[in-house]
Amino acid sequence: GENVEQHPSTLSVQEGDSAVIKCTYSDSASNYFPWYKQELGKGPQLIIDIRSNVGEKKDQRIAVTLNKTAKHFSLHITETQPEDSAVYFCAARPGGGADGLTFGKGTHLIIQP
Amino acid sequence: NAGVTQTPKFQVLKTGQSMTLQCAQDMNHNSMYWYRQDPGMGLRLIYYSASEGTTDKGEVPNGYNVSRLNKREFSLRLESAAPSQTSVYFCASSAPLAGGPYEQYFGPGTRLTVT
Repeated sequence: GENVEQHPSTLSVQEGDSAVIKCTYSDSASNYFPWYKQELGKGPQLIIDIRSNVGEKKDQRIAVTLNKTAKHFSLHITETQPEDSAVYFCAARPGGGADGLTFGKGTHLIIQP
Repeated sequence: NAGVTQTPKFQVLKTGQSMTLQCAQDMNHNSMYWYRQDPGMGLRLIYYSASEGTTDKGEVPNGYNVSRLNKREFSLRLESAAPSQTSVYFCASSAPLAGGPYEQYFGPGTRLTVT
């Protein structure tokens, strides 16, 4: 089955700086790669996603890049703000008719004032 | 439009007791999912249902059963709870059939403790 690795597990950045979180996946048939933000005591919230036929997607301060050849994808947050502090998860949807998402173990992003 | 709702929010069980976690969505989605989240493990798929009347196992199905009652509701049952099932359980739904969209929307979670 699919295996998703996520790094780093904790990331501390100064407010206003950029943050980058990286994930790799194992199943070359995976076709959809979302990123979720989870705040304490809440369910994961989708913040951006990318499909396998696209290399990059941007939404205001957030962008995701996908390298299918290397099987890795990354989340980029620019001009970080205190409200960006949370746990971020990457995930991959397998191909081949299966459903559900395989998640990375999460990155705790801390924005230092 | 409430999205995905889950009940209860919190539950404490003794080993061997049974319970059912309820999930409902009002987005007319075809697919529904149950995940568990443990510290340092991310979310892991327990079961999913691609449409009313169908269910499939995910990564960690042992000790659980599911029922897709209708298009809106998808329940998760623990027949004989074990301490290893202490976790936070999330229900999710998404529209898709082949071709997407694949976005999954999550409920607020049920925090379950088995003593």
